[in-house]
Amino acid sequence: AQSVTQLDSQVPVFEEAPVELRCNYSSSVSVYLFWYVQYPNQGLQLLLKYLSGSTLVKGINGFEAEFNKSQTSFHLRKPSVHISDTAEYFCAVSGSGGGADGLTFGKGTHLIIQP
Amino acid sequence: DVKVTQSSRYLVKRTGEKVFLECVQDMDHENMFWYRQDPGLGLRLIYFSYDVKMKEKGDIPEGYSVSREKKERFSLILESASTNQTSMYLCASSSDSGVLTDTQYFGPGTRLTVL
Repeated sequence: AQSVTQLDSQVPVFEEAPVELRCNYSSSVSVYLFWYVQYPNQGLQLLLKYLSGSTLVKGINGFEAEFNKSQTSFHLRKPSVHISDTAEYFCAVSGSGGGADGLTFGKGTHLIIQP
Repeated sequence: DVKVTQSSRYLVKRTGEKVFLECVQDMDHENMFWYRQDPGLGLRLIYFSYDVKMKEKGDIPEGYSVSREKKERFSLILESASTNQTSMYLCASSSDSGVLTDTQYFGPGTRLTVL
């Protein structure tokens, strides 16, 4: 079985400041890792994903994440946030069943941008 | 662009009613999923389907059933709605390209209230 832990339920950040949203996972098999974003009253959309290769993954809207196998982490970062980044962010893992088995999601982190 | 549509954004039903939630995708995707999203719990997989007339239980299938008669349509059925099924329901689809890592595309969600 696999699981995902998002350590912070809420992260308040001032506009133009850097941010890191933390994600740890556990799995007995090789994993593929994802970050999704949910803007208010919308469905989820993919920010970025790690499949293999370089451990630093770049996504949309200036976000990036680093896969750290030894620490079983996949933290999301952005060097300078904007008001429009206010949203719920979900880390997810796909195990040996891959995309056809669905994803296991964390409980989400609400990013709050303060002017 | 991939489009996943859900039949209703908001739905109010009474306890004991039979409820149908419909999801349609327009990208000829093989895989389709139903999740429910609850505050503090993230997304949890209810059922998924990897082919027409095929279905698999997810993590929380109790009280739900599904139907996939056509490739583009995946229905979630609450046989006898209960108040603890009040939630946001999200449908997603993904391609089965042979790589176990395909992105899932989400619909906007249906917020169901059971009175």
